[in-house]
Amino acid sequence: GDSVTQMEGPVTLSEEAFLTINCTYTATGYPSLFWYVQYPGEGLQLLLKATKADDKGSNKGFEATYRKETTSFHLEKGSVQVSDSAVYFCALTSNAGGTSYGKLTFGQGTILTVHP
Amino acid sequence: DGGITQSPKYLFRKEGQNVTLSCEQNLNHDAMYWYRQDPGQGLRLIYYSQIVNDFQKGDIAEGYSVSREKKESFPLTVTSAQKNPTAFYLCASKKSFQGQHEQFFGPGTRLTVL
Repeated sequence: GDSVTQMEGPVTLSEEAFLTINCTYTATGYPSLFWYVQYPGEGLQLLLKATKADDKGSNKGFEATYRKETTSFHLEKGSVQVSDSAVYFCALTSNAGGTSYGKLTFGQGTILTVHP
Repeated sequence: DGGITQSPKYLFRKEGQNVTLSCEQNLNHDAMYWYRQDPGQGLRLIYYSQIVNDFQKGDIAEGYSVSREKKESFPLTVTSAQKNPTAFYLCASKKSFQGQHEQFFGPGTRLTVL
């Protein structure tokens, strides 16, 4: 079945450091890929998405590129801020049909803490 | 403003009691979802509904039940058969089950069973 694997956290950075959170996936067909962010005590918010190979999703300085050849969707930001401290989830929706169609499959989440 | 509301934010129950978590959306979305989140784990799908009066089991449906009598509402009941119900529960909705639309999430309900 479909699966998403994220780099293990927690990740601790100083303000203005470069961020990479790795995400790889296994899926049938051509999934859509998402990054969601969860701030403490809250629900999830969509950060960015990509729906086909080589698409780049971007939002609030975060970027991720859909790499079909390496089945990856790594999240990057050039200069993190304290306010970026949160849990980040990589996820996919399968478009392959069958019982998994439309279902959102999540990675385990990566905790990011940014210090001043 | 359109969105998803979940209530209550915190819920405490004694072991052996059934409890119902509320989820309401005014986004006019057809599809709705319930997820469970445990520390250090991703979200796991409990139940989903593609349309009113229809719902399907997700990956961890045992010990849970749902109903979808109205488009706006998708309540989740955690029954006494759920062996480890303490968790953070998230409701989500999507414009339609098929397609590449994003899922919108509510703020969550933290259930603690004493």
